[in-house]
Amino acid sequence: SYELTQPPSVSVSPGQTARITCSGDALPKKYACWYQQKSGQAPVLVIYEDSKRPSGIPERFSGSSSGTMATLTISGAQVEDEADYYCYSTDSSGNHRVFGGGTKLTVL
Amino acid sequence: EVQLVESGGGLVQPGGSLRLSCAVSGFTFSSYSMNWVRQAPGKGLEWVSYISSSSSTIYYADSVKGRFTISRDNAKNSLYLQMNSLRDEDTAVYYCARERYGSGSYYLDYWGQGTLVTVSS
Repeated sequence: SYELTQPPSVSVSPGQTARITCSGDALPKKYACWYQQKSGQAPVLVIYEDSKRPSGIPERFSGSSSGTMATLTISGAQVEDEADYYCYSTDSSGNHRVFGGGTKLTVL
Repeated sequence: EVQLVESGGGLVQPGGSLRLSCAVSGFTFSSYSMNWVRQAPGKGLEWVSYISSSSSTIYYADSVKGRFTISRDNAKNSLYLQMNSLRDEDTAVYYCARERYGSGSYYLDYWGQGTLVTVSS
């Protein structure tokens, strides 16, 4: 079955840039999106269609995609950005949806 | 305001069955595809199932195929997940989520708060 691979953890100091990657064989042809999930809460969409930001999401969140890798960038990470982040996409057929394994972002 | 509210979770023995519901409001339910997503305790998100707006297209994750059935009632603005032959590894918080599609992109833009299913003897 199709898989998306993320690093288990990323750590940055406040104000630094955090980059979280997501790799998958179908990403050259399929869009990725990103979710933020804080402890005990439902996921929140922060990036869709590789690089678009929903209304209400701070400008420090951005996304990009090149080849088999999508990247979520948080420019000037804040303490409140500490959360788990998941990429999401579909397999090459577009039928099965899949989440990456998740990345725990620590900002301290 | 868009709202999705799951219900029907609880404790069930291995091999048992449970039916989850998701009541939606604040948007035209019949125009959107829907998904179920689950999260085992301390684990990541796992996509479970998809249903198109008219119920004509349905997909399942391999882990639940043949045991779970997704359905919807557009007249009642409700989404369902019938779960049979439950296993310990099905223990999770189950979320319903609205899907958006555009330009070849699929994403879940609104989520419920989830309902906990515990499979244990």
